[in-house]
Amino acid sequence: DQQVKQNSPSLSVQEGRISILNCDYTNSMFDYFLWYKKYPAEGPTFLISISSIKDKNEDGRFTVFLNKSAKHLSLHIVPSQPGDSAVYFCAASAPGGGADGLTFGKGTHLIIQP
Amino acid sequence: ETGVTQTPRHLVMGMTNKKSLKCEQHLGHNAMYWYKQSAKKPLELMFVYSLEERVENNSVPSRFSPECPNSSHLFLHLHTLQPEDSALYLCASSQDREAGDREQYFGPGTRLTVT
Repeated sequence: DQQVKQNSPSLSVQEGRISILNCDYTNSMFDYFLWYKKYPAEGPTFLISISSIKDKNEDGRFTVFLNKSAKHLSLHIVPSQPGDSAVYFCAASAPGGGADGLTFGKGTHLIIQP
Repeated sequence: ETGVTQTPRHLVMGMTNKKSLKCEQHLGHNAMYWYKQSAKKPLELMFVYSLEERVENNSVPSRFSPECPNSSHLFLHLHTLQPEDSALYLCASSQDREAGDREQYFGPGTRLTVT
C-alpha cells in the first residue's frame, strides 16, 4: 500500500510556463515533506522541503505548497526552463528525524518543451 | 571528492557470485542509508545506520548484508542474488536523528544486473 502517491507519471509543459507537480499521502504521521529531482544516470538531488507547521515554502523559482487537511502537496516551478526536464520525486518523513528513512512516491517525469 | 560517492557505478554478477557495493560520504553526516529502486517502483528503504549502528532493516532478504565500519563508509555485501534483485541501488546520508532538517543526500547509484 503506497503511502506517498504521485498519480501523474509524466507532465509536459511549455518553456516559460508554470509546472505544477502533485503529490498525495495517506500517513497522518508524516510531518516533513521533500521534493527531489533526478536526471538519468544520477542519484536524486534535494530540491526543496516543507515542515507540516508551514503551508508554503519558496526558494527561487520553486515553491512547495502543503494542504494538511487534504494530505496533498504540490511543487510549482515558474518559469519552467529546459534544464528542469527530469523526474521529480515527492518524499515524506515521520517524526524521529532523518535517520528513519524517507518514503518516496514513484515520480513524475517533467518534460519542458521549447 | 565531495558529496556522496558510490562504486562501482555498474555491476553485472551471476547468481553464485559474491560482490560488494561501496558508499562514501564526505559531508560529515552521522546517518547513512541504502535504498533500492526497481523499474516502475518507488525508492524502497533497505537499511539505515545512525552513528554506525543499524537502526532499521526493512525486511530485506539475508542475501543482502550491510556493513558500516565508520560514519563515512557504508557497504552492501551481495551473495547468491536472484535476477529480480537487478535494480539501481542508491546510498544516501543525512545529518543525524535530531536535526531539524531531514534532507538526505544521494550518491549516483550502482546499476546492478544479476544474470
